Amino acid sequence: EDQVTQSPEALRLQEGESSSLNCSYTVSGLRGLFWYRQDPGKGPEFLFTLYSAGEEKEKERLKATLTKKESFLHITAPKPEDSATYLCAVLRTSGSRLTFGEGTQLTVNP
Amino acid sequence: NAGVTQTPKFRILKIGQSMTLQCTQDMNHNYMYWYRQDPGMGLKLIYYSVGAGITDKGEVPNGYNVSRSTTEDFPLRLELAAPSQTSVYFCASEGTGATTYEQYFGPGTRLTVT
Repeated sequence: EDQVTQSPEALRLQEGESSSLNCSYTVSGLRGLFWYRQDPGKGPEFLFTLYSAGEEKEKERLKATLTKKESFLHITAPKPEDSATYLCAVLRTSGSRLTFGEGTQLTVNP
Repeated sequence: NAGVTQTPKFRILKIGQSMTLQCTQDMNHNYMYWYRQDPGMGLKLIYYSVGAGITDKGEVPNGYNVSRSTTEDFPLRLELAAPSQTSVYFCASEGTGATTYEQYFGPGTRLTVT
């Protein structure tokens, strides 16, 4: 069974304080790993897809990286508007549906 | 484009009642999904569809039914509502080509069963 574990569950940062979120996964053949952002009361919003170990993707203050066992979402000099829950999901090579982690709730204080 | 729209936004049901959650997308996507999200939890797949007339069960299908008569619409039916179905329900669609695997989510329906 595919498993996705995200840590920490919650993270509080000061504006400008860089940090990383972790997504550990167990899957029999990874087709892709996905990061989504979810604001309170809204649906998740797609951020990145990573397909192979060593791959990196960047968007504004966010950078996602992938190894064979985990992915990191690095947040550089965060701003209060980066506050959200960040969800990680995996898709197995032989699968047709995503398995989501429980998310990391990020709060960035001004 | 409106993207993925869901109605209603909120609903309170009594135990044993039935209802249909509506989902429509205007991106001509073949793949559509229904998820539920319980407080502090990740998304669990209920049902999905790879095109009009084709549906399949996800991880937690019991108590739900779906149909897909058109590319645009993917309604979710709850029969005999139970308190365990209290949750937030999200519909999503997925593109092809350059946007394959990128799922676009609707705003959600918050359902309470009492």
